[in-house]
Amino acid sequence: AAGVIQSPRHLIKEKRETATLKCYPIPRHDTVYWYQQGPGQDPQFLISFYEKMQSDKGSIPDRFSAQQFSDYHSELNMSSLELGDSALYFCASSFSQNYGQPQHFGDGTRLSIL
Amino acid sequence: DAKTTQPNSMESNEEEPVHLPCNHSTISGTDYIHWYRQLPSQGPEYVIHGLTSNVNNRMASLAIAEDRKSSTLILHRATLRDAAVYYCILRGGSQGNLIFGKGTKLSVKP
Repeated sequence: AAGVIQSPRHLIKEKRETATLKCYPIPRHDTVYWYQQGPGQDPQFLISFYEKMQSDKGSIPDRFSAQQFSDYHSELNMSSLELGDSALYFCASSFSQNYGQPQHFGDGTRLSIL
Repeated sequence: DAKTTQPNSMESNEEEPVHLPCNHSTISGTDYIHWYRQLPSQGPEYVIHGLTSNVNNRMASLAIAEDRKSSTLILHRATLRDAAVYYCILRGGSQGNLIFGKGTKLSVKP
């Protein structure tokens, strides 16, 4: 079965640079979630989209923005990167926002800031 | 947000059943109980979820207390591949995102 695809898998950037992470949800899934997991930390929710509209917002810095496109894929744009942004970034998708629907996660993008 | 309490760590022997407990005494009537696990260097993986009744799937079973204030994830025969951090998460209220707590780190001994 098709899974959530994230690209790139690894990304190395320098401070103050920008980065764009991409997420392709499971076909027919209309909801996308972004999570950040720092070293030794548990995943933290950043932002989510349902039917191309932002639905919830978590601890996402103002330097980050995201959107969901007409084909339901999503991109997380990160600017003025800081050392503390080094983390694993996971995307998850689900069929609707119904709390009874599970979220399916991608393998993540490992972002390293030098 | 309703919170859950899980033991920090548990150990199991391979091919034996594992019972992972979770307390959620402040659960509301509309909260679903979800379980996810995260293997090293991988994204979280959905395991099972339920609302009131016990649930079974190919990965595990979920036993929910009658008052819903606690639940137990049951792995019927632990394998080395089941070594992971297991998260018990309540989903409900006004947001659909998952709120990850500390979880239980399960070690499986051969």
